[in-house]
Amino acid sequence: KAGVTQTPRYLIKTRGQQVTLSCSPISGHRSVSWYQQTPGQGLQFLFEYFSETQRNKGNFPGRFSGRQFSNSRSEMNVSTLELGDSALYLCASSLGDGRDNGYTFGSGTRLTVV
Amino acid sequence: GNSVTQMEGPVTLSEEAFLTINCTYTATGYPSLFWYVQYPGEGLQLLLKATKADDKGSNKGFEATYRKETTSFHLEKGSVQVSDSAVYFCALSNGGKLIFGQGTELSVKP
Repeated sequence: KAGVTQTPRYLIKTRGQQVTLSCSPISGHRSVSWYQQTPGQGLQFLFEYFSETQRNKGNFPGRFSGRQFSNSRSEMNVSTLELGDSALYLCASSLGDGRDNGYTFGSGTRLTVV
Repeated sequence: GNSVTQMEGPVTLSEEAFLTINCTYTATGYPSLFWYVQYPGEGLQLLLKATKADDKGSNKGFEATYRKETTSFHLEKGSVQVSDSAVYFCALSNGGKLIFGQGTELSVKP
């Protein structure tokens, strides 16, 4: 079956702009979570959505937001981009809360802010 | 709070050497534990998992045992290959999100 699909793979944006990233989970997975990966901070949790509701949230400013649609696809939005937002953004999907079966990750979206 | 600590890398080994990557954790409750692997330019792949104390996760020759008494989940492989070169992440989950260690880069030389 198809894995977790993230689009686009690469993005270059200018400081101050906004960006929207998309994630399509594995069919049947209702939980979608987002992570930011940078060389300095490593992998950090952004937020998790389950059945269109935000269930968990990490410690990121309000410029980072997300949503989930009825088909479980999720989008993440970053407004007023800063240079420090340059990172690999990873989406993961899971059955339930992921503790039993783990989380399946997409290949990520590489965002560069110039 | 919850946290994961991994041994620092990079780790450089010769092919067929024994591998150990140490991982310890701090957590409330009874988390599930995971090892993920990341190859260059790719996302994370689940390598193995354990959901309760004394469980052993295994996959592709890699093993790790959930040790509650020492709060550890060390990754081992008896004979590494060049193709195992990657970054390895230990992680825990209490539900809904993963908390990762800083990652350990492994380089295997022929």
